[in-house]
Amino acid sequence: TQLLEQSPQFLSIQEGENLTVYCNSSSVFSSLQWYRQEPGEGPVLLVTVVTGGEVKKLKRLTFQFGDARKDSSLHITAAQPGDTGLYLCAGAGANNLFFGTGTRLTVIP
Amino acid sequence: GAVVSQHPSWVICKSGTSVKIECRSLDFQATTMFWYRQFPKQSLMLMATSNEGSKATYEQGVEKDKFLINHASLTLSTLTVTSAHPEDSSFYICSASRGRVYDYGYTFGSGTRLTVV
Repeated sequence: TQLLEQSPQFLSIQEGENLTVYCNSSSVFSSLQWYRQEPGEGPVLLVTVVTGGEVKKLKRLTFQFGDARKDSSLHITAAQPGDTGLYLCAGAGANNLFFGTGTRLTVIP
Repeated sequence: GAVVSQHPSWVICKSGTSVKIECRSLDFQATTMFWYRQFPKQSLMLMATSNEGSKATYEQGVEKDKFLINHASLTLSTLTVTSAHPEDSSFYICSASRGRVYDYGYTFGSGTRLTVV
């Protein structure tokens, strides 16, 4: 099993603040994905990053894949209560997906 | 978009009984599906890879005789928890990809919450 450590594990911030979530591993991945999960539901894909150093932006969310393809970050600008949820990074293995330890974000109105 | 349906959404069963969970790809064919387990406030742990027409591949530490996986068609995989015990209570989620993971990612079912009493 390839381990992906996410930090922080829990994050509670006020609406309007910025935040960054980190995903680190000792393994190299061909691609890395970020998901968000609501309670009682399956994860929903946010983005896939493939190239080392790649940066992708989705509105207020910015995703970066490390140059060595071992780590990634998710930055949220001006967080909103609707951003509340469990954020999971996931590294793609040969035929499967390994999830990070998760970051539970709470945005307080 | 790709849709994966999981059924049931929740189930309560008595200790010692077996429970079957279904995972269907509704608008695409999936030669491979994945089963995950998630404990409260924790991340997803890959249990096994379900392969259409062949045996499932289990992750280390997952009992294959306890968690029976059948992938009899390109749109259906089932996970049967046999002789369930309270420690098997968890949230089980399946996933599949409609194509190249780079392009489509994985689509997840809505999960099944199993409670063994």
